[in-house]
Amino acid sequence: AQSVTQPDIHITVSEGASLELRCNYSYGATPYLFWYVQSPGQGLQLLLKYFSGDTLVQGIKGFEAEFKRSQSSFNLRKPSVHWSDAAEYFCAGSGGTYKYIFGTGTRLKVLA
Amino acid sequence: DAGVTQSPTHLIKTRGQHVTLRCSPISGHKSVSWYQQVLGQGPQFIFQYYEKEERGRGNFPDRFSARQFPNYSSELNVNALLLGDSALYLCASSFGVTYNEQFFGPGTRLTVL
Repeated sequence: AQSVTQPDIHITVSEGASLELRCNYSYGATPYLFWYVQSPGQGLQLLLKYFSGDTLVQGIKGFEAEFKRSQSSFNLRKPSVHWSDAAEYFCAGSGGTYKYIFGTGTRLKVLA
Repeated sequence: DAGVTQSPTHLIKTRGQHVTLRCSPISGHKSVSWYQQVLGQGPQFIFQYYEKEERGRGNFPDRFSARQFPNYSSELNVNALLLGDSALYLCASSFGVTYNEQFFGPGTRLTVL
C-alpha cells in the first residue's frame, strides 16, 4: 500500500541551528513528493515539490529537500532555522493523481 | 491573484445535524479536492472533483458527499454529524486532474458537540 511516513513527531532546535526533517515513502513507482508547512489554525503552504529530474530541490523560505530513491526518502533541510519557522511540517506523496497521501506531520519548536 | 477561499471559517454543530462547507478554487483551476484533518494528524483525502464530475473518493462513509458547480466552486456536505467529524476541512484546487500540484485553502474548522 502507498504510504508516507514521518518518523519524528516533535523536533526542537535552537535558532540558527541546522534542521533536517525526515520523510520516507512507499510507492510502487517514484511518486511526486511535496513538503507543506502549516502554522497553527492555518491551511497548508507548499514549501517545495519533486516531480522528476534533479534530486536536490530548492523551495521557499530557504528550505531544500533531497530525493533519495535508494533510501525511499525525501528529507527536508534548512541550514539555519529562524524562530518564525516554528510550525508543523507535512510530507505528502502522489502517484501522479489528485490523491495526496500525507504523513502525520512533524511539529517544529525553535528555541531562542 | 486570490488563492483558494473557504467558508465559513469556523462552524459549531451538534450531533445529528447536517453541514455544508464551501470552496472557491483559484481562478482557472478546474479541479477541487477535499481533505479532512483531525487534530494531530495529517490531512486525509475525501473527494476530488474535476469538470463537475467526481473523479475519486477516499475511505469515508456515504454521509459525506460533494458537488462542483459550473464555476468550479464546490460544496462538501456531511449528514448525521458525529463527534468524530470534528476536524479542519481543507479544500485544494489544481488546474488539472493529474500531474499538478494542489493549492490549499485556509480550511473550515468544524466542531461537533
